[in-house]
Amino acid sequence: QSVLTQPPSVSAAPGQKVTISCSGSSSNIGNNYVSWYQQLPGTAPKLLIYDNNKRPSGIPDRFSGSKSDTSATLGITGLQTGDEADYYCETWDTSLSAGVFGGGTKLTVL
Amino acid sequence: QVQLQESGPGLVKPSETLSLTCSVSGGSINNYYWKWIRQPPGKGLEWIGYIYYSGSTNYNPSLESRVSISLDTSKSQFSLNLSSVTAADTAVYYCARGGTRYSSSSWGQGTLVTVSS
Repeated sequence: QSVLTQPPSVSAAPGQKVTISCSGSSSNIGNNYVSWYQQLPGTAPKLLIYDNNKRPSGIPDRFSGSKSDTSATLGITGLQTGDEADYYCETWDTSLSAGVFGGGTKLTVL
Repeated sequence: QVQLQESGPGLVKPSETLSLTCSVSGGSINNYYWKWIRQPPGKGLEWIGYIYYSGSTNYNPSLESRVSISLDTSKSQFSLNLSSVTAADTAVYYCARGGTRYSSSSWGQGTLVTVSS
């Protein structure tokens, strides 16, 4: 059971927008930065968003991140079939003094 | 462009110690967090721990009694030891580099470790 809660799955049509939520508490998301990763089948995770809303070089602006109180959200616009993947949120948990991941969300582009 | 590569046995017997090494090339060890993350087959990511370039470490409380991470700056390598393994430790193990404790910008390809007799 993950400290951070994500929906198991989301789906949307090509070209549409989707959001993925990550819910935590004051000991993690509420007081720490959030990162988001994309994991394509059979590959290592790839950093999409760090520090809540910053994109590493090379990540298209179709991907965005936001945070409010104890929840964070990943947004993806202009969905492509190549976006089908598992998405994970990560943050630091001050009470555990450890990093924590969400359980992951499988995105299906219909 | 930094590259990370995991190496070690793909099969470990129950109760023995799992040992993996991550070799770092194309980048400095300094000023980064060097991490281990694992993913059981068909499941999500689990944070194992990190070693900072200065040598300080931090581990997942659920694994802390069995895990240790070390750093060999002269070889540009860091290692994971996980003792008293069981089938529940079967997973793909990733090494990663991060500029902060809570994000990892570079990952190894991962290596599957199976715990079985």
